[in-house]
Amino acid sequence: KAGVTQTPRYLIKTRGQQVTLSCSPISGHRSVSWYQQTPGQGLQFLFEYFSETQRNKGNFPGRFSGRQFSNSRSEMNVSTLELGDSALYLCASSSAGSRNTEAFFGQGTRLTVV
Amino acid sequence: AQSVAQPEDQVNVAEGNPLTVKCTYSVSGNPYLFWYVQYPNRGLQFLLKYITGDNLVKGSYGFEAEFNKSQTSFHLKKPSALVSDSALYFCAVRDPNTGTASKLTFGTGTRLQVTL
Repeated sequence: KAGVTQTPRYLIKTRGQQVTLSCSPISGHRSVSWYQQTPGQGLQFLFEYFSETQRNKGNFPGRFSGRQFSNSRSEMNVSTLELGDSALYLCASSSAGSRNTEAFFGQGTRLTVV
Repeated sequence: AQSVAQPEDQVNVAEGNPLTVKCTYSVSGNPYLFWYVQYPNRGLQFLLKYITGDNLVKGSYGFEAEFNKSQTSFHLKKPSALVSDSALYFCAVRDPNTGTASKLTFGTGTRLQVTL
């Protein structure tokens, strides 16, 4: 069974640009969540999507947005990039309908803003 | 709001010795607790979880964790460490107010260094 796939693995962008990251969850998983990992702030929850609807949102500015498609694949977008947006962005998927299941993570997209 | 504390930035242990990585939590309601491991330039790998039941939870790669409700702790343990266990370990708690497993609050991580 294929794991969570994130593309691209690495990105270099310039301040002010925007970027789109992609995540394909494990087959059958309908919940997709996104996290930002930085040395200073650690792992922080961005948002969660389920059945194409944003279900939970973390404390990030509106420049961070996401969406989920009918096949459960998800994208996150960051507009007007800032140097502080440089981070490892992790996507996680989990099966729906159970609080007891765990989330499975992809390998992440390393975003560098210059 | 829920929170997780990992009081040690780094734990050093010799190969073959037992290891413990500490985690304490704060959450209203029943805790749903997880341990993940991260190798360099990789995502997080699930190790084990506590939902309910036995206080000693067994997980992947010989790891186990002990849930202690009175001390609000969920320490990760392994009887005999391997050099290949060297990695970054994260404790996490699920938000009890959501109905899913995907909104996690993580600790700051503990770097485990196992030496020969």
